[in-house]
Amino acid sequence: GAVVSQHPSWVICKSGTSVKIECRSLDFQATTMFWYRQFPKQSLMLMATSNEGSKATYEQGVEKDKFLINHASLTLSTLTVTSAHPEDSSFYICSAGGTSSPVTETQYFGPGTRLLVL
Amino acid sequence: GEDVEQSLFLSVREGDSSVINCTYTDSSSTYLYWYKQEPGAGLQLLTYIFSNMDMKQDQRLTVLLNKKDKHLSLRIADTQTGDSAIYFCAEIYFSGGYNKLIFGAGTRLAVHP
Repeated sequence: GAVVSQHPSWVICKSGTSVKIECRSLDFQATTMFWYRQFPKQSLMLMATSNEGSKATYEQGVEKDKFLINHASLTLSTLTVTSAHPEDSSFYICSAGGTSSPVTETQYFGPGTRLLVL
Repeated sequence: GEDVEQSLFLSVREGDSSVINCTYTDSSSTYLYWYKQEPGAGLQLLTYIFSNMDMKQDQRLTVLLNKKDKHLSLRIADTQTGDSAIYFCAEIYFSGGYNKLIFGAGTRLAVHP
């Protein structure tokens, strides 16, 4: 149980285009979803948190107009990187959690999406 | 603010035990976690411990929690090459209406024959 998927697993795009990444909790309903960014050989940096049907809460320094988050249902959240630039290249990981997690408030992570912007 | 620290690298021989250590700052954390990350992959929840527990054992994994010193450790018995990965310690903290995680920098475990 507690499986979270991400799609796509990797994406290469041209500078200036927008990229959408999907995160799905497959076997439980996630009241809260989180989006992280991970640079090579570094830890995870929380970008934003969202509850289903609510606007996302962004961490300090994260541009909300650049990284659009939509938590449309209890099993789906999307991250759209708008007008991507090479500095947005990174490994993006989502997690699902909240009070309805198999272990309450515990986050279960997706496999990550590697984004390369040329 | 909240902070989690762990050593960056550990090398062990196959079959030996590995001990990965972590210190944290938020004494109000209800849960503490160990996650495993293999190259190019997401994080896999290995185990967790409630803050009112001192020890938790799950097959080859033993978690020890010293609340007084805010010290958490993960022991892997009979370490195998498949255990080679990065291990993240994490604690929950409440911020902005959510229970969030703060991670340590990760300990890279290398298992050699």
